Amino acid sequence: AQSVSQHNHHVILSEAASLELGCNYSYGGTVNLFWYVQYPGQHLQLLLKYFSGDPLVKGIKGFEAEFIKSKFSFNLRKPSVQWSDTAEYFCAVSLNNAGNMLTFGGGTRLMVKP
Amino acid sequence: DTGVSQDPRHKITKRGQNVTFRCDPISEHNRLYWYRQTLGQGPEFLTYFQNEAQLEKSRLLSDRFSAERPKGSFSTLEIQRTEQGDSAMYLCASNRGSNTEAFFGQGTRLTVV
Repeated sequence: AQSVSQHNHHVILSEAASLELGCNYSYGGTVNLFWYVQYPGQHLQLLLKYFSGDPLVKGIKGFEAEFIKSKFSFNLRKPSVQWSDTAEYFCAVSLNNAGNMLTFGGGTRLMVKP
Repeated sequence: DTGVSQDPRHKITKRGQNVTFRCDPISEHNRLYWYRQTLGQGPEFLTYFQNEAQLEKSRLLSDRFSAERPKGSFSTLEIQRTEQGDSAMYLCASNRGSNTEAFFGQGTRLTVV
């Protein structure tokens, strides 16, 4: 069974700092990759996704992620965070099969200090 | 709002009682998923439907759990004889089919006392 690891459980940054959240998965086959965000009191929302093609994926709100197949990684980046980016971030993987069920990492709680 | 809708948002129940949650997916989505999320963890897959057919169930879905999607639209998740370990956020998601984005509802938070 596949698994997803997010290395940082809690991250605290000041506004305008750069962000990189790590995500590694364990599965040797073809996967789809996602980053979801959950703002306080809100539902999970998709930030960006990778199915195929250009491994550098751009999402909403200035986020991007790079799929490095050789490292089984899909790290999330943002060059300059804002206070409004305070949220919990989840990396997820689905197999490229009929069900496409998502396997999530444990999440990273980001706090951005104004 | 045309997103995924879940009801109720919160449920407190006594141990041993049965509870039922409802999920209304986005109307044109033929796939519906249930996940469970406990504090400090990411969501874990429970089961999914394609139209009215339940196609896969996780090992997490014990015999006390049952899910239905009778007409291929809304779905219900029932937990019988609730235990304290069932306390969690139960999330519903839907999508159009293979390799498409899943949209999540706001979840039902279950507390078993």
